[in-house]
Amino acid sequence: QLQLQESGPGLVKPSETLSLTCTVSDGSISSSYYYWGWIRQPPGKGLEWIGNIYYSGSTDYNPSLRSRVSISVDTSENQFSLRLTSVTAGDTAVYYCARRAYSYSSYWYFDLWGRGTLVTVSS
Amino acid sequence: DIQMTQSPSSLSASVGDRVTITCRASQTISSYLNWYQQKPGKAPKLLIYAASNLRSGVPSRFSGSGSGTDFTLTISSLQPEDFATYYCQQSYNTPCTFGQGTKLEIK
Repeated sequence: QLQLQESGPGLVKPSETLSLTCTVSDGSISSSYYYWGWIRQPPGKGLEWIGNIYYSGSTDYNPSLRSRVSISVDTSENQFSLRLTSVTAGDTAVYYCARRAYSYSSYWYFDLWGRGTLVTVSS
Repeated sequence: DIQMTQSPSSLSASVGDRVTITCRASQTISSYLNWYQQKPGKAPKLLIYAASNLRSGVPSRFSGSGSGTDFTLTISSLQPEDFATYYCQQSYNTPCTFGQGTKLEIK
């Protein structure tokens, strides 16, 4: 079954840029049926959607993060990536990548998730 | 943004109990409501999509209902593996938003 795996630094300094990659295995990121997303979860708190990307490169971002976030896709490597600039301690969280799948009548959901990676923002 | 409010925030129950968790949206979202289960240190898992559709492979003791602004997740007979945190999520518009979570603990 298709799997997702996050990778990247676990520690980022304040004001610097957080960069993570999600590698998709046992399946193609270029499928027309799916979008690919990032969700984060601060320690002990709830879930926050960051953004999505389609294999064509079309993106959608949470307005609360739009000025600092970018998501890109590399279909040749079967990967998509997250960049979050000017980070603060408030960006400390477990970052998940996930597949967004569609059902009938445009209903959609996150049906597959990576294991998550903790990113701590600290000097 | 659409605000999703779950109640209760935490719940203690026993194996075999019937449990209901409620999720309320700040505006109508039709049936664009999903439920996830998350265990400590693990990623969320999809249980229910489009308010009442059970994901393949999820035990039938889980069920969802509701439309508009009010939704429920019901576990008909709690099993030991069901003790976890549950989140609702609206997929009606962008940004998609999650409830704050309901932690289900063993009594």
